[in-house]
Amino acid sequence: DVKVTQSSRYLVKRTGEKVFLECVQDMDHENMFWYRQDPGLGLRLIYFSYDVKMKEKGDIPEGYSVSREKKERFSLILESASTNQTSMYLCASSLRHGGAGNTIYFGEGSWLTVV
Amino acid sequence: QKEVEQNSGPLSVPEGAIASLNCTYSDRGSQSFFWYRQYSGKSPELIMFIYSNGDKEDGRFTAQLNKASQYVSLLIRDSQPSDSATYLCAHPGGYNKLIFGAGTRLAVHP
Repeated sequence: DVKVTQSSRYLVKRTGEKVFLECVQDMDHENMFWYRQDPGLGLRLIYFSYDVKMKEKGDIPEGYSVSREKKERFSLILESASTNQTSMYLCASSLRHGGAGNTIYFGEGSWLTVV
Repeated sequence: QKEVEQNSGPLSVPEGAIASLNCTYSDRGSQSFFWYRQYSGKSPELIMFIYSNGDKEDGRFTAQLNKASQYVSLLIRDSQPSDSATYLCAHPGGYNKLIFGAGTRLAVHP
C-alpha cells in the first residue's frame, strides 16, 4: 500500500514563527503536493513538485514555500506564520502522468493552529 | 466560475435509500474524474474513478460521466449511516494535480 506520512499531526504555533511541515512517501512517486483545507472552501493547492528540486505554485502560494531535496520528501514552510494560516494541511503524492487509475494518495493531515 | 462545482449540502437521505451526488465542471478537455470520500477529521480516500462516458459500478457505488453535459455523479445504493461523510469530486489538471470541488456533505439517518 502507498503510504504518505505527515510527521506532525497537530501543531500550535505563535504568529511570526517559522513552521515546517514534513511529508514522506514510500512509493517512488514523482509528484508531490501540498493542499490546505478549510470549511466551505474545499481543498486548495498550495504548491506541487514533479521532480526533485522542482516546484510549481498552486492556487494559493502566498505566505508559503516548499523544499524537495529528495524524491520521497516534500516540505512545506510557513516563513512567518499568521492566524489566517490556521488550517488542515494535506500532503499527497502520485505518479507523474495522469490517466485511468493513476490516483493521488493523501497523508493523514496536519492540523495547524496559529495563535 | 469554479472549475469544479458541487452542492455543499448537507444531503440527507434515509438508510437504505439511494444517495445521488452531483458535480459539474467547466473544462471540456477533462478526461477522467475521481470521487473521494472524507470522514470528519480524516484525509480523503479514493472510492471511484471514471474516464469514459456512461456508468461505472463498484459494489454499492455507481459513477456516471456525461461529457456532453459536463457533469459527473455518484450514486450510493442502499445507503448506510457509515456512508455519512463529505464526498469530493476532482479531475486532473497539468502534472496530474487534482482540482477539487468543495465537496458535498452526505448524512444518512437511520
